[in-house]
Amino acid sequence: QKEVEQDPGPLSVPEGAIVSLNCTYSNSAFQYFMWYRQYSRKGPELLMYTYSSGNKEDGRFTAQVDKSSKYISLFIRDSQPSDSATYLCASYNQGGKLIFGQGTELSVKP
Amino acid sequence: GAGVSQSPSNKVTEKGKDVELRCDPISGHTALYWYRQSLGQGLEFLIYFQGNSAPDKSGLPSDRFSAERTGGSVSTLTIQRTQQEDSAVYLCASSLGTGVETQYFGPGTRLLVL
Repeated sequence: QKEVEQDPGPLSVPEGAIVSLNCTYSNSAFQYFMWYRQYSRKGPELLMYTYSSGNKEDGRFTAQVDKSSKYISLFIRDSQPSDSATYLCASYNQGGKLIFGQGTELSVKP
Repeated sequence: GAGVSQSPSNKVTEKGKDVELRCDPISGHTALYWYRQSLGQGLEFLIYFQGNSAPDKSGLPSDRFSAERTGGSVSTLTIQRTQQEDSAVYLCASSLGTGVETQYFGPGTRLLVL
C-alpha cells in the first residue's frame, strides 16, 4: 500500500464548477500536507500547504486536512480552464523527502 | 531569479547504454532532490543531497543508478546499462534546506529507452 493514495482521474468539469480533489494517507507521523499543481510538460509547483488538521484558504483554493480520518482535500471554487492540470497531494517524510500521491488529472471545459 | 534547470530536456537512448542527467539548482539552495515520474507509479523519491552528501539513497531502484553533487551545486544522475523500465521523467528539486522547506522543481528530463 502506498503511503499516500490519490485517485488519478481523469476528472472533467465545466467552467465555474466546484472541484473536489482528495487523498488519503497511512502514516500517522505526517504533519505537513502539500498540494502541487503540474501543467503538461512542466515540473510541479507548490500550490498551498497545511499543517496538521484544519483548513487553509487562498483565493479560489481551499485545502483541508482531517487527521482523524487521514484525509486530505483540495477544493477549487469557480474553476477556470487555466486550472486544467494534474494536482498532486504530498507529505514530508524524514529528511524532507516528499511522498506523493499519483496525481489527479483535471480538465476544466469552457 | 533563475529557477531549477535540467538538461537535457529529452533523451532517447538504446537499451544497455549509459545516460547522464544534469540538474542546476537555485543558487544558495543547499538541499537537492531527485524524483522519478512514470505512468502508473506517480512521482517517486530517488535520492537527496544536503550539500555534497547524500544521507538518503533509499529510493534508487538498483545499483545501476547513482548520483553525485559537486561544489554544493550541480548534480548528475547516472543510469548505467539502461533498461526499458527506466523510461520516465526525471525531476530535480531544490530547497533552502532539508526538512519542511518548499521544494522548487525543474522541468524534468524525459528519458525514453528503446
